[in-house]
Amino acid sequence: NAGVTQTPKFQVLKTGQSMTLQCAQDMNHNSMYWYRQDPGMGLRLIYYSASEGTTDKGEVPNGYNVSRLNKREFSLRLESAAPSQTSVYFCASSEDTYGYTFGSGTRLTVV
Amino acid sequence: AQRVTQPEKLLSVFKGAPVELKCNYSYSGSPELFWYVQYSRQRLQLLLRHISRESIKGFTADLNKGETSFHLKKPFAQEEDSAMYYCALRAGSARQLTFGSGTQLTVLP
Repeated sequence: NAGVTQTPKFQVLKTGQSMTLQCAQDMNHNSMYWYRQDPGMGLRLIYYSASEGTTDKGEVPNGYNVSRLNKREFSLRLESAAPSQTSVYFCASSEDTYGYTFGSGTRLTVV
Repeated sequence: AQRVTQPEKLLSVFKGAPVELKCNYSYSGSPELFWYVQYSRQRLQLLLRHISRESIKGFTADLNKGETSFHLKKPFAQEEDSAMYYCALRAGSARQLTFGSGTQLTVLP
């Protein structure tokens, strides 16, 4: 079982470039999430999708968009990358009220 | 809005010593609390949830609603416990978790 798979693992972007972070889960979970992890700030929720066809903003949505393509896939898009978006991005999924299963993360650097 | 506070960014203890990682929360309703752990260069994984009242890898945590705390404890720390620990809260029927800022635990030999 792969669980939650994120691609790419590493990425360097120039300011103003765009990119999409991909996330897929094979556990048939309804809910999926995108977090960013920054030193001293923990994990902050960017967007989440409670079920297929729905998305909602989290704590820090500015500069990001998401797409819940189907039940398995939840992508995060940076339309015009900024240095402040340098971070480690984690995708996670969950079923009902149980805990999350996390992906391995994407380390993004914007120069 | 709910909030999770982990007051210690860094915590060092010697092997065999007791360890307590603090977590305080603010939420007006009945929360569900979790501890997650991230070992070096690994993905975050669930350590324990207060509902389960279980002990994982020797760690326990008790929800104290009076003090709004959910501290993580282990009587005898091991070097392999060195990791980043996050406390997290689920508010009511929400699916998303609110995380604290994390505590980096180092267990010294």
